[in-house]
Amino acid sequence: QKEVEQNSGPLSVPEGAIASLNCTYSDRGSQSFFWYRQYSGKSPELIMFIYSNGDKEDGRFTAQLNKASQYVSLLIRDSQPSDSATYLCAVSSGSARQLTFGSGTQLTVLP
Amino acid sequence: GAVVSQHPSRVICKSGTSVKIECRSLDFQATTMFWYRQFPKQSLMLMATSNEGSKATYEQGVEKDKFLINHASLTLSTLTVTSAHPEDSSFYICSARGVAGSYNEQFFGPGTRLTVL
Repeated sequence: QKEVEQNSGPLSVPEGAIASLNCTYSDRGSQSFFWYRQYSGKSPELIMFIYSNGDKEDGRFTAQLNKASQYVSLLIRDSQPSDSATYLCAVSSGSARQLTFGSGTQLTVLP
Repeated sequence: GAVVSQHPSRVICKSGTSVKIECRSLDFQATTMFWYRQFPKQSLMLMATSNEGSKATYEQGVEKDKFLINHASLTLSTLTVTSAHPEDSSFYICSARGVAGSYNEQFFGPGTRLTVL
């Protein structure tokens, strides 16, 4: 059974702070790792993906992957109220590269 | 780029009727499409994976005779919920992945909210 675990939150940070979201996964054969943002009533929106160990930066977002620890994280710098959403960690594995989603972390950025 | 559309966005139907949901990749060819279901306050659960021109692969616990999937072209997949019941009420989301080397990630449609009365 492939599992992806996230802290459900809610996580609250003040505007301008760094928000840190964490995710662990059980399948060591997982190949790709994704962070999606989902606003209430909407479908997920891809923020970032990462394939290799280390950090990957895109604007205010940084994804970090540690395959040995089976851990992936997302840092959001200079958090804005518009970043308030549920963040879904997803892990791709298998020949069809299906995604297994975590339960999501609800983030609230306080003005 | 990488736009996926779904139609309809919202549907309300009576118990026992069938509902068809369309998923289209608008600006790329999707070799694989995925169908997910999301209940309130829960994460996305994969229902099935479909490849163009072949039968869909269903996840354990998903009734293939109830949730009919057709992936007739590289830009269109349909999900038909047959004889829908109130417990089928959910948010159905499709995603599409392009050919190798382009749009390799899954891009999601806007979702279809199904309410069965």
